[in-house]
Order: sequence, then structure tokens, then C-alpha cells
Amino acid sequence: GAVVSQHPSRVICKSGTSVKIECRSLDFQATTMFWYRQFPKKSLMLMATSNEGSKATYEQGVEKDKFLINHASLTLSTLTVTSAHPEDSSFYICSATTGSEQYFGPGTRLTVT
Amino acid sequence: GQNIDQPTEMTATEGAIVQINCTYQTSGFNGLFWYQQHAGEAPTFLSYNVLDGLEEKGRFSSFLSRSKGYSYLLLKELQMKDSASYLCAVFFNKFYFGSGTKLNVKP
Repeated sequence: GAVVSQHPSRVICKSGTSVKIECRSLDFQATTMFWYRQFPKKSLMLMATSNEGSKATYEQGVEKDKFLINHASLTLSTLTVTSAHPEDSSFYICSATTGSEQYFGPGTRLTVT
Repeated sequence: GQNIDQPTEMTATEGAIVQINCTYQTSGFNGLFWYQQHAGEAPTFLSYNVLDGLEEKGRFSSFLSRSKGYSYLLLKELQMKDSASYLCAVFFNKFYFGSGTKLNVKP
């Protein structure tokens, strides 16, 4: 199947700093990528839909200015958590779709101290 | 809103068969997906239904009834490594996930 990578896999940052997470589709072009957040023992919560060349569509309750999404190319989307706080600590997962199937990245564990 | 319901947790014995149900009420429907997720890892794709009926893939099968808004994932010949969370997701412009079913496989 298709491969999606995320970088970094783990990151620890101090409160108030910003963190960028990259999501890449390695062997296919993805016009749409999704960003999810997952709390321990909970299911995936869709944060936003990232479309190449246009603004991301955010889900209700997700702050656009806090979670900046950029989909610069057909193989790369980035999520920047700005002015991170401890409550932003979570598992962030991206996925890329070919239309009929969705492929997940391995996830990024963010810890804000 | 979209509602996708799954049992929270199930326990089964190694070698047995287990069925994980999923019911959904969504404003649209383009397909239903099942994913497996081990703790601390990203979900991995298991099965996909668009039309009514049963899709079989080795030890895993998934069934869909669109008129009833119902699907199930059937796992046969359970192995210890099948202990994981199983996520049901409906695709309609984007993916809507259920809360997941944690499956515990006991020896």
C-alpha cells in the first residue's frame, strides 16, 4: 500500500514555543490530507482537512490561528502548533487520501512541558 | 451531526471468532472502513465496504448493510496479536470515526 511519513515521530517542547510537524506522501500524490488528534484511549478527532493550493478547512472548535496548516505541494502538508501549552500534548496523526482509501502516517507524539 | 457507535470493549479467547459491530447515522455515505490500531501506533487499514454484503480478507471479514446503517468486522482464528483497538469510520467527503472497540484476546 501507499506510504505516508511524519516527522518528527516524537517532540518535546517548552510551553510558549511553536512546533512544526510534517506529513509526506512518499509514493503517491495526495490532493487531500487530513490532520487528526488522538488523546489516550480515545478515537481520532479530525482537526482539519488540508487541500493542496488552498486554505485548510478546520473542524468546529479547532483554532485556526493555533494550528496552522500548510499544504504546499501534492506530497507535503505541515501542521504548526503555535504557542504550545501542556494541554496541546497529544498524539497527532496525518493521513493522505487517494480518493477511495486513506493512508495514515505513523503519528507524532507531542509533549509540552 | 454524525453518529458512529461501537462497543467500548470486548474480550475473546485465542482461536475463537469475534464480531465487532458498528452502527452509523450520517448525512451521507461513500464507504465504510475498518482500521486496527495498536496502542501508541497509527491505525492500519483492514477492510472497506461500499456496497451491501460481505468482504472477506483472510481472517478478517467486514459486512455492510446501508439500509440499516450497520456494519460488522469479523475476526476468525483469533491470535494474541489481534489485541488492539478496532476503529469503524464512515467516509463522506471526509472520515468520521467511531470511538473504537478495544479487543482483548485471552489465551
